[in-house]
Amino acid sequence: AQSVTQLGSHVSVSEGALVLLRCNYSSSVPPYLFWYVQYPNQGLQLLLKYTTGATLVKGINGFEAEFKKSETSFHLTKPSAHMSDAAEYFCAVTFGGSQGNLIFGKGTKLSVKP
Amino acid sequence: GAVVSQHPSRVICKSGTSVKIECRSLDFQATTMFWYRQFPKQSLMLMATSNEGSKATYEQGVEKDKFLINHASLTLSTLTVTSAHPEDSSFYICSAIGGEPTDTQYFGPGTRLTVL
Repeated sequence: AQSVTQLGSHVSVSEGALVLLRCNYSSSVPPYLFWYVQYPNQGLQLLLKYTTGATLVKGINGFEAEFKKSETSFHLTKPSAHMSDAAEYFCAVTFGGSQGNLIFGKGTKLSVKP
Repeated sequence: GAVVSQHPSRVICKSGTSVKIECRSLDFQATTMFWYRQFPKQSLMLMATSNEGSKATYEQGVEKDKFLINHASLTLSTLTVTSAHPEDSSFYICSAIGGEPTDTQYFGPGTRLTVL
């Protein structure tokens, strides 16, 4: 079955530290991979996505993610955390290039300590 | 571009009443719209997929008679929660496909429904 797993429901880092949010998927067909950010009581904002081509994808707010097919991973990173990065982050996948049927991970709440 | 709005952002209603939530694509024509439900501290659960001019496709376990979806135009989809009960209280989020790029869902800001 196709699925998305986000390791760690809650990640806490200090301001200026590296942010690493993990996402793994399982699929027998090529995935399209997305990271969304959700601030309290708001909808989801697209951070970045991978469809085809370059496996290292750069997104907004200094985030980037690398698609590693051999590891079935799409981890989200940011070199230096900012207080404004505190939010919920969702990894999502569609399979077979479909435009719908987004499958979401359970989310990771990122806290940033001053 | 690719902005999706929802109205209202927050609604409180009495048990037994019906509530309508609107989802609009402001600067593109949405060929497909999705409705999600999000419980506190949990991920989004897809409720249904709607295409303009046709009946919505509901996910397993979602009561189509309770959650009425209408996609009357390429820029508007509505979700009506009929005979709402406290267990229907949740955060409802819509998304739309049709903006550029077409492989990406664009999400609305969500509607917080509280049923007393």
